[in-house]
Amino acid sequence: GAGVSQSPSNKVTEKGKDVELRCDPISGHTALYWYRQSLGQGLEFLIYFQGNSAPDKSGLPSDRFSAERTGGSVSTLTIQRTQQEDSAVYLCASSPDPGPYEKLFFGSGTQLSVL
Amino acid sequence: GQQLNQSPQSMFIQEGEDVSMNCTSSSIFNTWLWYKQDPGEGPVLLIALYKAGELTSNGRLTAQFGITRKDSFLNISASIPSDVGIYFCAGPPGSARQLTFGSGTQLTVLP
Repeated sequence: GAGVSQSPSNKVTEKGKDVELRCDPISGHTALYWYRQSLGQGLEFLIYFQGNSAPDKSGLPSDRFSAERTGGSVSTLTIQRTQQEDSAVYLCASSPDPGPYEKLFFGSGTQLSVL
Repeated sequence: GQQLNQSPQSMFIQEGEDVSMNCTSSSIFNTWLWYKQDPGEGPVLLIALYKAGELTSNGRLTAQFGITRKDSFLNISASIPSDVGIYFCAGPPGSARQLTFGSGTQLTVLP
């Protein structure tokens, strides 16, 4: 497709389980971002991948959160031992980098619910 | 970290009315962005501002980059039902590429 694709669109899990969220960026976009949006809140930066550089992990809230980007394309965000406070919408975005913010596009997100 | 204070938190307006919302920061931003988010979707960029004092329009939307570089506002004129959604201000702190977002303004347009 032409846009940023995220899967699954919804994920319900039990407290303590691990989850993996996937992001397929726009083809050719070298920069990829993960954000978290809690109910009624703005977006909170989690992690940023740029080409082959080491990712900026400064936004990850705890060591239960990790992400990887294979082959400079698809990215997976993993949350281990999920907690109820992890419930949120997880959004992925991609852009050419460097590039204007007019070229930054978001996916529709994964709604994560931890019971 | 740096925070963006966005107000109002929510607005209920009549169709046809004009709307204004603003965003302030305790530190300087060199870029101000305004996004709209519809339910179940990611944010979509409405207007990007790159220069202090800049006033930019996109149809019925007008945004300004404050001269102090610590604030920005968004105006929507003659609101219509499809303007309903959540509006976010955002900007990159310092030289970072990732964005800091305001907490959003939920806009409801009443017929």
